[in-house]
Amino acid sequence: AQTVTQSQPEMSVQEAETVTLSCTYDTSESDYYLFWYKQPPSRQMILVIRQEAYKQQNATENRFSVNFQKAAKSFSLKISDSQLGDAAMYFCAYRTFDNNNDMRFGAGTRLTVKP
Amino acid sequence: DTAVSQTPKYLVTQMGNDKSIKCEQNLGHDTMYWYKQDSKKFLKIMFSYNNKELIINETVPNRFSPKSPDKAHLNLHINSLELGDSAVYFCASSYGQGGSEAFFGQGTRLTVV
Repeated sequence: AQTVTQSQPEMSVQEAETVTLSCTYDTSESDYYLFWYKQPPSRQMILVIRQEAYKQQNATENRFSVNFQKAAKSFSLKISDSQLGDAAMYFCAYRTFDNNNDMRFGAGTRLTVKP
Repeated sequence: DTAVSQTPKYLVTQMGNDKSIKCEQNLGHDTMYWYKQDSKKFLKIMFSYNNKELIINETVPNRFSPKSPDKAHLNLHINSLELGDSAVYFCASSYGQGGSEAFFGQGTRLTVV
């Protein structure tokens, strides 16, 4: 099965600053999806951003953007103009494109935002 | 309208008991999942179903038995509960092949005492 690695258990950022969360994955597939999910203390899993592997252009959603490096199997999340409400656990996820619908998560990064 | 709904949200029970968690989605998805989130927040896939058919069955004890009566429902029954089963269990759904992100329920916090 594919593996997803988040090497930063915890990260901290000053309000209004920019922070980048790292994610790498291992796969032999050429088509797949990548996601970043946010889990605030409410424990609800919220989709932040998604990237289709066949698209070369990096996905962007308002203050959130990714740096997708397919050859390096890297998928980092950049949060610009960090806000207090961004404080949460962030999970990187990989999903297969086939019927198996296999979706795996990294161990998560806890992001703290300092006022 | 809740897209993916799990019941109950909290469940406290004694060791050895049998319990069920129900999940329903109204998104028209054909794929549903169960994930277990442990105390360290690690999310581990347990099962996935596509159109009521079991697709993924990770290394999960036989005490855990998923049941999908139709593609909008995926329930999880746990027999002979153990202390180590204490965790948050998430149900999720998505479209199948060619689909994209999964939508999650609010989670069920199971505490075994």
